[in-house]
Amino acid sequence: GQQVMQIPQYQHVQEGEDFTTYCNSSTTLSNIQWYKQRPGGHPVFLIQLVKSGEVKKQKRLTFQFGEAKKNSSLHITATQTTDVGTYFCAGPLDRGSTLGRLYFGRGTQLTVWP
Amino acid sequence: DAEITQSPRHKITETGRQVTLACHQTWNHNNMFWYRQDLGHGLRLIHYSYGVHDTNKGEVSDGYSVSRSNTEDLPLTLESAASSQTSVYFCASSRSQGAYTGELFFGEGSRLTVL
Repeated sequence: GQQVMQIPQYQHVQEGEDFTTYCNSSTTLSNIQWYKQRPGGHPVFLIQLVKSGEVKKQKRLTFQFGEAKKNSSLHITATQTTDVGTYFCAGPLDRGSTLGRLYFGRGTQLTVWP
Repeated sequence: DAEITQSPRHKITETGRQVTLACHQTWNHNNMFWYRQDLGHGLRLIHYSYGVHDTNKGEVSDGYSVSRSNTEDLPLTLESAASSQTSVYFCASSRSQGAYTGELFFGEGSRLTVL
């Protein structure tokens, strides 16, 4: 079945360094979502990408959706301690699904050293 | 404000006991989901529902059941708890957005320990 693979599993950075996590799917995705989970918390929606080659920015966060709609990335510029957490990508489990059944990548756990 | 709540937040039980985790949302979302989260596995879908009286199995449904008698609630039942079901359980809801998957709103989670 369709799977969403995410790398790296862990990333440790010094505050101020950049961070990137990558998400790859075995099949074309109609859309992809990104979530952040703080330690001890619950996943919180960050963004949804829909169009091929789409790039969206939220302050220091840049999200990209690949041209083939099989990969995506999240890049954080100049990390801060508030960026600590696990970042998940998620794509529809069914091809062309419109009803929210998402398959989550295993996440990238980001640690930021002050 | 609309919200999604889970209860209990923490529970310890014994092997073989029946356990029910409650999930209640006030967004009037049709779609509701149960995920479990374990170290190294991310979030795995247990069961989901697209509306009242609709339930479907996810990727790790063995040993779990759900029922949807109204829009607001999707309780998750472990018929006979096993140690392998020790986990953090998240309930989520979403609305469909035309052709695209709606964002998921997660509850705060229920930590279950089976001894």
